[in-house]
Amino acid sequence: AQSVTQPDIHITVSEGASLELRCNYSYGATPYLFWYVQSPGQGLQLLLKYFSGDTLVQGIKGFEAEFKRSQSSFNLRKPSVHWSDAAEYFCAVGAQATGANNLFFGTGTRLTVIP
Amino acid sequence: EPEVTQTPSHQVTQMGQEVILRCVPISNHLYFYWYRQILGQKVEFLVSFYNNEISEKSEIFDDQFSVERPDGSNFTLKIRSTKLEDSAMYFCASSQLDRMSAEDTEAFFGQGTRLTVV
Repeated sequence: AQSVTQPDIHITVSEGASLELRCNYSYGATPYLFWYVQSPGQGLQLLLKYFSGDTLVQGIKGFEAEFKRSQSSFNLRKPSVHWSDAAEYFCAVGAQATGANNLFFGTGTRLTVIP
Repeated sequence: EPEVTQTPSHQVTQMGQEVILRCVPISNHLYFYWYRQILGQKVEFLVSFYNNEISEKSEIFDDQFSVERPDGSNFTLKIRSTKLEDSAMYFCASSQLDRMSAEDTEAFFGQGTRLTVV
């Protein structure tokens, strides 16, 4: 069965510093992987997704994520964090097209950005 | 940019009462979903819906839950007799194609309805 672990419940970084949010997944085959962000009062917004090909995926808002099969990881990175990046970040895994049409999410990581 | 809207943003209800959570999916989307997140836990899939039928549901989605598309725009989740453990954030989502996870499609989520059962 698919599952996602986000080991960090809460991370605080200074504005301008680099960021890495961890995500580990469990899935028997090649997964579809996603990062979503939820800003206060907003819905879950897709930042980026990995399906195949280049293991380094570029997303919106300057984020990127790298799929590492050997480590079962899909960590999210940003070289320089902005105050507006403060939000909740969710990693998710989806099954390949075998009939399952839902996503498995992690518990989320809350990002606080300090000036 | 198109968006999924959910109402209300926060609902408080007494245990045993019925609640209806409302969602307006993106207008040209055909597939609809409900997820929930109990505080401190994972976002969990509840149900997917297409062509006025449930496509998939999780084991969480028992007989106390039902979904409906009462008109051309709304998509509702009804909890018939709420329990304390139903307290959670409920997210609605919609997608154009029949996959939340596909290379050429994206599911859009609403901002959520926080349900508090007292």
